[in-house]
Amino acid sequence: AQKITQTQPGMFVQEKEAVTLDCTYDTSDQSYGLFWYKQPSSGEMIFLIYQGSYDEQNATEGRYSLNFQKARKSTNLVISASQLGDSAMYFCAMREMDSSYKLIFGSGTRLLVRP
Amino acid sequence: GAVVSQHPSRVICKSGTSVKIECRSLDFQATTMFWYRQFPKQSLMLMATSNEGSKATYEQGVEKDKFLINHASLTLSTLTVTSAHPEDSSFYICSAPPGPTNEKLFFGSGTQLSVL
Repeated sequence: AQKITQTQPGMFVQEKEAVTLDCTYDTSDQSYGLFWYKQPSSGEMIFLIYQGSYDEQNATEGRYSLNFQKARKSTNLVISASQLGDSAMYFCAMREMDSSYKLIFGSGTRLLVRP
Repeated sequence: GAVVSQHPSRVICKSGTSVKIECRSLDFQATTMFWYRQFPKQSLMLMATSNEGSKATYEQGVEKDKFLINHASLTLSTLTVTSAHPEDSSFYICSAPPGPTNEKLFFGSGTQLSVL
């Protein structure tokens, strides 16, 4: 079974608007971490934001915020005020802290910001 | 902040040769490092977990004799693709957590391997 599911292979957004990228996960661990990374065409992995399973507040980092719904096992990334430089691949990932500490990635969403 | 350095960034080799990729943690000690492989337009697939001073743990379906991992010190892990073939052509990227429960994992810049 897929542990991390990103159902949107590609998304478009108009510059300056907000966009939500979906991610659901599956784990039986009580302690886990959820991550979002951005990968531009250069290939580097840029850390964006983190949410711990015990964090009650939704994480925010500048223009990035998470809509974390633990009961639904979803952690959607919201990018506000999109910029042209936001065009990239976005990956959701999870570390299961009770077990392996491995970081497992979803299939990714390609975001294209239109001018 | 913590930095992971990966070399080389790009390598082109002939079929049958071996290629070594290095991953170094520059300002922290990494008892564990993770090696990923990424085909074009696909996600990062975990290949193995490199453990300092012990054998690497490979994911299902990854040939340990094909992809040799050595983690000889707390700051260096190497991945050697032995007897490379064109189907091994891919983007390889390493990552290291500064600690077991640290929030961030830091990634190297990746290595694009092309086997002719």
